[in-house]
Amino acid sequence: DIQMAQSPSTLSASVGDRVTITCRASQSISGWLAWYQQKPGKPPKLLISKASNLESGVPSRFSGSGSGTEYTLTIASLQPDDFATYYCQQYHTYFTFGGGTKVEVK
Amino acid sequence: HLVESGGDLVQPGGSLRLSCEASGFNFNSYSMNWVRQAPGKGLEWVSHISSTSSTIYYADSVKGRFTISRDNAKNSLFLQMNRLRDEDTAVYFCARNGARYLHFEDWGKGTLVTVSS
Repeated sequence: DIQMAQSPSTLSASVGDRVTITCRASQSISGWLAWYQQKPGKPPKLLISKASNLESGVPSRFSGSGSGTEYTLTIASLQPDDFATYYCQQYHTYFTFGGGTKVEVK
Repeated sequence: HLVESGGDLVQPGGSLRLSCEASGFNFNSYSMNWVRQAPGKGLEWVSHISSTSSTIYYADSVKGRFTISRDNAKNSLFLQMNRLRDEDTAVYFCARNGARYLHFEDWGKGTLVTVSS
């Protein structure tokens, strides 16, 4: 099974900060990686697919990059609506989520 | 639009059947999944079924106890859960795969399953 190590588990930041979240796969997933945002009591929302494809309607301050086993989600300038938990997910072989990163107010 | 139902309080060892009703898209063209989230925890993929039910996968944690199925005529997805354990307590989401790739494009709001005596 492919394991996904996501870091950090918690991130304290301020509005306007540049934020970076990393996911490392236990083997190459060839870019088959998605990022989701989840707010309390809500289902996850797809932000990025295929490592770097921004979903329609998602603000351009979100971006994804990476290849092989290392992937990154970047929020260029954190906005009040962005405080949430973020998950990566591989869909190269079955499906595995990272442990999540909670972005909280510093 | 995806709407889950069937969540309830059930004793360990019991059974429960979850449903997910789909609308607003051509259900029989999309593969579907169940994903769960234990209270205060992260997301765990549970099961996948292809559009024609020809391909089915399960997470090791539920294999042999849970059965995924779908009825394309009724735009519905199901999860039959048997031999439930305390650790199956979670909100269960149904999620639709993308049209071309297998990311999870759309999610329901979830239904809560509580396993407790």
